[in-house]
Amino acid sequence: AQSVSQHNHHVILSEAASLELGCNYSYGGTVNLFWYVQYPGQHLQLLLKYFSGDPLVKGIKGFEAEFIKSKFSFNLRKPSVQWSDTAEYFCAVNPYNNNDMRFGAGTRLTVKP
Amino acid sequence: DTAVSQTPKYLVTQMGNDKSIKCEQNLGHDTMYWYKQDSKKFLKIMFSYNNKELIINETVPNRFSPKSPDKAHLNLHINSLELGDSAVYFCASSQGTHRAYEQYFGPGTRLTVT
Repeated sequence: AQSVSQHNHHVILSEAASLELGCNYSYGGTVNLFWYVQYPGQHLQLLLKYFSGDPLVKGIKGFEAEFIKSKFSFNLRKPSVQWSDTAEYFCAVNPYNNNDMRFGAGTRLTVKP
Repeated sequence: DTAVSQTPKYLVTQMGNDKSIKCEQNLGHDTMYWYKQDSKKFLKIMFSYNNKELIINETVPNRFSPKSPDKAHLNLHINSLELGDSAVYFCASSQGTHRAYEQYFGPGTRLTVT
C-alpha cells in the first residue's frame, strides 16, 4: 500500500535558521508531489508541487523542495525561517492516473522569535 | 470569492444525533473530497467524488454517507454520532479526472460530539 512518511514530528527552530523537512513515499510508479501548509486554526494551503521537469521546485514564501527519485524523497527546504512560518506542514503524494491523494502525518514547525 | 466553502464552521452535538456538513466549490473542478483531521493533525481521506460519482471510499463507518447532488457540491451526512467522530472535517476539490492536481481546501468544520 502506498504510504507517505514524514520523519520529523515536531521541529523547533530559531528565526533565521535553515529548515529541511523530510518526506518519503513508498509508491513505485510516477507520482505527483505536494507540500501543503496549515497555519494555526486555518485550512491547508498549497506551498509547492512537482509534476515533472526540474526536480528542484520553488514555491511561495521562499520555500523549495527537491524531488530525488532514487530516494523516493521530496524534502522541503527554506534557507531562513521566520516566526510567521510556524505551522503544520504536510507532504502529499498523488499516483499518476489516479485521483487519490495521500498525506503524511505532518510536521509541526515552531519558530522562536 | 470563496473557492471552497463549508457549512457550518462549528458543530456541537450530542452522541446519537444525525448531522450534515455541506461543501460547495465554485472553481469548476471535477473532483471533490472529504478528509478527517484528528486532534493530532493526522489528515485521512474519507471519500472522493468525480463528476458526482464515488471513486474513493476509504474504510470509514457506514454511518458516514457522502452525497453529491452535482459536481459543485459534496455533502457529508453522519448518522448516530459517536465521541470518536469529534474532529475537523475538511472538504477539498481539484481539477482533473484521472490525475489529482493541487487540491483546494475549505475552511474546515470542527465537529464536537458530547
